[in-house]
Amino acid sequence: QSALTQPRSVSGSPGQSVTISCTGTGSDVGAYKYVSWYQQHPDKAPKLIIYDVNKRPSGVPGRFSGSKSGNTASLTISGLQAEDEADYYCCSHAGTYVVFGGGTKLTVL
Amino acid sequence: QLQLQESGPGLVKPSETLSLTCTVSGGSISTSDHYWGWVRQPPGKGLEWIGTIGTLTYSGNTFYKPSLKSRVTISLDTSNNQFSLKLTSVTAADTAVYYCTKEVESTTHHWGQGTLVTVSS
Repeated sequence: QSALTQPRSVSGSPGQSVTISCTGTGSDVGAYKYVSWYQQHPDKAPKLIIYDVNKRPSGVPGRFSGSKSGNTASLTISGLQAEDEADYYCCSHAGTYVVFGGGTKLTVL
Repeated sequence: QLQLQESGPGLVKPSETLSLTCTVSGGSISTSDHYWGWVRQPPGKGLEWIGTIGTLTYSGNTFYKPSLKSRVTISLDTSNNQFSLKLTSVTAADTAVYYCTKEVESTTHHWGQGTLVTVSS
């Protein structure tokens, strides 16, 4: 039940693309299609931006995309905008429970 | 539009039981194959999944984070469209913002606004 591993911080300039990785094991990320990503602005509740590895909920811009290879999932944000500055968390089904990543702080330079 | 709202004491003494309720509006908690649960976030730290309880086909099924399982109970009150969290024997490490959630296939599609619970004497 260890947390999934994410980089503590990433950064990029407006218009650029950034990718956030999320590394788990063969018992969570590598075993299931149920990987999701959440965006959290300061003092706000998290917001779902990607689910089932690469699906976007209605209203989430196409700039956000997800993928998975083996035990590592990734979130890519293209065409960075100032409002994308936030914390991002990955999440995976792990059999009888759910596990989150430690979170990544995205800074838009 | 579905809305979730947490309620409960903001201050709990060490060794006592933390009790929170989530009131759901804009939809019934008992008429869909979903899971209702809790996630917490200690101040300045990351998200931690606590557990969920199922409804309809999954009615009564509960799943808890293994390291919290001995102290956690999540239950449903379908007559009031609510569900609740009880966490026993709390310590300062249980101080956090607690979010109630709606899950579908291990994805949290809906979040409450969160409520801060501080454990202190």
